[in-house]
Amino acid sequence: SAVISQKPSRDICQRGTSLTIQCQVDSQVTMMFWYRQQPGQSLTLIATANQGSEATYESGFVIDKFPISRPNLTFSTLTVSNMSPEDSSIYLCSVEVYRARDTQYFGPGTRLTVL
Amino acid sequence: AQSVTQPDIHITVSEGASLELRCNYSYGATPYLFWYVQSPGQGLQLLLKYFSGDTLVQGIKGFEAEFKRSQSSFNLRKPSVHWSDAAEYFCAVGDLYAGGTSYGKLTFGQGTILTVHP
Repeated sequence: SAVISQKPSRDICQRGTSLTIQCQVDSQVTMMFWYRQQPGQSLTLIATANQGSEATYESGFVIDKFPISRPNLTFSTLTVSNMSPEDSSIYLCSVEVYRARDTQYFGPGTRLTVL
Repeated sequence: AQSVTQPDIHITVSEGASLELRCNYSYGATPYLFWYVQSPGQGLQLLLKYFSGDTLVQGIKGFEAEFKRSQSSFNLRKPSVHWSDAAEYFCAVGDLYAGGTSYGKLTFGQGTILTVHP
């Protein structure tokens, strides 16, 4: 398994600002993913964070709005840019580890409220 | 494109009663299926997964799930529910990614909220 931490755990932000969410894993992982869970909704994959290259975004998500970095095998960041109230969600990081490449482990999530 | 349907948005059971949560999927090939649980304020925890082989899969916390290809279903069961099982349960199907080396692209169902009465 993997122990995943996310910072911040929650935040309240003003519209038009940006927030960067960090995801740290205690071991090297192959894949890192970012999901969004809007209030009362299921999880939707935003993008796959690739180490050393640009992230791969799902339909409906763009790099300008959700820039992602992955500088090494244990860390990634997701930025929510130019926020609006519609961005209020829980953002979750998940990882796939080398020894269990068929299983994803999820972080505790970051609860974002945009006023 | 793959999809997952959880027909029951909310289920209430009494403690000690049996439980079955329904999940139907749509996927073009052999599906890789997962059940996750999310407790209030917590991240997702993997309960069990199905890739191949025995269609009855055992998981953690006394849960099991049965894969039925003919019905495109992967229902989650527990013979006796405990109050601590109250949570939201998500079924997911994994899609091939990275040249077939990963099933990391998960598509989730809408979730089923489980309430347990004492």
